[in-house]
Amino acid sequence: DIVMTQSPDSLTVSLGERATITCKSSQSVLYSSNNKNYLAWYQQKRGQPPKLLIYWASTRESGVPDRFSGSGSGTDFTLTISSLQAEDVAVYYCQQYYSPPLTFGGGTKVEIK
Amino acid sequence: QVQLQQSGPRLVKPSQTLSLTCAISGDSVSSNSAIWNWIRQSPSRGLEWLGRTYYKSKWFLDYAPSLDSRISINPDTSKNQLSLQLNSVTPEDTAVYYCARVAAGVGAFGVWGQGTMVTVSS
Repeated sequence: DIVMTQSPDSLTVSLGERATITCKSSQSVLYSSNNKNYLAWYQQKRGQPPKLLIYWASTRESGVPDRFSGSGSGTDFTLTISSLQAEDVAVYYCQQYYSPPLTFGGGTKVEIK
Repeated sequence: QVQLQQSGPRLVKPSQTLSLTCAISGDSVSSNSAIWNWIRQSPSRGLEWLGRTYYKSKWFLDYAPSLDSRISINPDTSKNQLSLQLNSVTPEDTAVYYCARVAAGVGAFGVWGQGTMVTVSS
């Protein structure tokens, strides 16, 4: 199984400041034949299902604000919230879909300072 | 707009079978461009993918190896829905269960059901 490791476990950021979450996979999720990273990021607010933010490591889902961005390749990835808003308080997860079993990171809780 | 509506019992006794249904609107369970998944979430296990089914000229199924002997995912084309059965449940199977859709070209879980909290207890 591909193990996904996120850091930090929690993050406290002031409104308008940058939040950065990292995700490491135990093996590469870059598929060489199409040069795509099979990595997604989700946002989960209390009592709701996860919401897809980013797929292919850096493609923003339709309707997701452009303050959310994803980067990285191979085994190391980053989700950045460029200017934290109150509505961004949530738990964020990375997930690989390179090979079954599909696996998620443990989550990063983002709060307002 | 694709929507997934889950239904099923919220309380299951140990050793019995957990059964959930995911009704699909706005897409077809037999679409060639979608993959239908079950995922669960618990404080102890986090988000855990359980398995998936999809149709590409024939039906395909993948299950998480840790559950392979106990799980069954079935598409129902007549009702346009997806079902999950998990046999011989224990309290460790207590979790929020979600169905989720992957669309072709996206790869990730873009549409989720509302979630069903299932408790395994006598």
